[in-house]
Amino acid sequence: NAGVTQTPKFQVLKTGQSMTLQCAQDMNHEYMSWYRQDPGMGLRLIHYSVGAGITDQGEVPNGYNVSRSTTEDFPLRLLSAAPSQTSVYFCASSYGGGGLGYEQYFGPGTRLTVT
Amino acid sequence: EDKVVQSPLSLVVHEGDTVTLNCSYEVTNFRSLLWYKQEKKAPTFLFMLTSSGIEKKSGRLSSILDKKELFSILNITATQTGDSAVYLCAVGGGATNKLIFGTGTLLAVQP
Repeated sequence: NAGVTQTPKFQVLKTGQSMTLQCAQDMNHEYMSWYRQDPGMGLRLIHYSVGAGITDQGEVPNGYNVSRSTTEDFPLRLLSAAPSQTSVYFCASSYGGGGLGYEQYFGPGTRLTVT
Repeated sequence: EDKVVQSPLSLVVHEGDTVTLNCSYEVTNFRSLLWYKQEKKAPTFLFMLTSSGIEKKSGRLSSILDKKELFSILNITATQTGDSAVYLCAVGGGATNKLIFGTGTLLAVQP
């Protein structure tokens, strides 16, 4: 099993550009989520999905879109990048919702810099 | 507002020392408390706690939950340089059953 994979590992964007962060898992997990991690802020939930075709907002959803067309893939789209979106982004998956106590498996992260 | 607070923010110890990391929470509809270890990459799972007073152990690491006083501790005995990492506490629950993370404790173990 590859587990949770993310691409790219690093990305530099200019303000206003758009891009998609890719996330895939091969564990047949229903629940997938995107977090951002900033110094002193811990991990904050951006969006999550409880299954194919179902997504919902987390704590900090503004400026990001998601979709879940398959169980395996959960891409995160930045519509118009802003310097405030400079962060490390983690994708995670689990059998059930993280809030229900299921262990979440994290991808290796994408370090994004917006200039 | 649901919140998870970890202390201390950072800690420097020498190899062989024992450390205790703290996690307190105020989360409605508590479901579980999880500990993760994060080295330079993604967080990796350590423990999940759901019941008060039952210690979970894995080698030199152990953790316990007190649901009455709303906190958990993570103990590491005979620390090694490989224990250097950020330790994250997360609580499952809240109004929308999500994981709420603390900001983490940065542990540095010196030789």
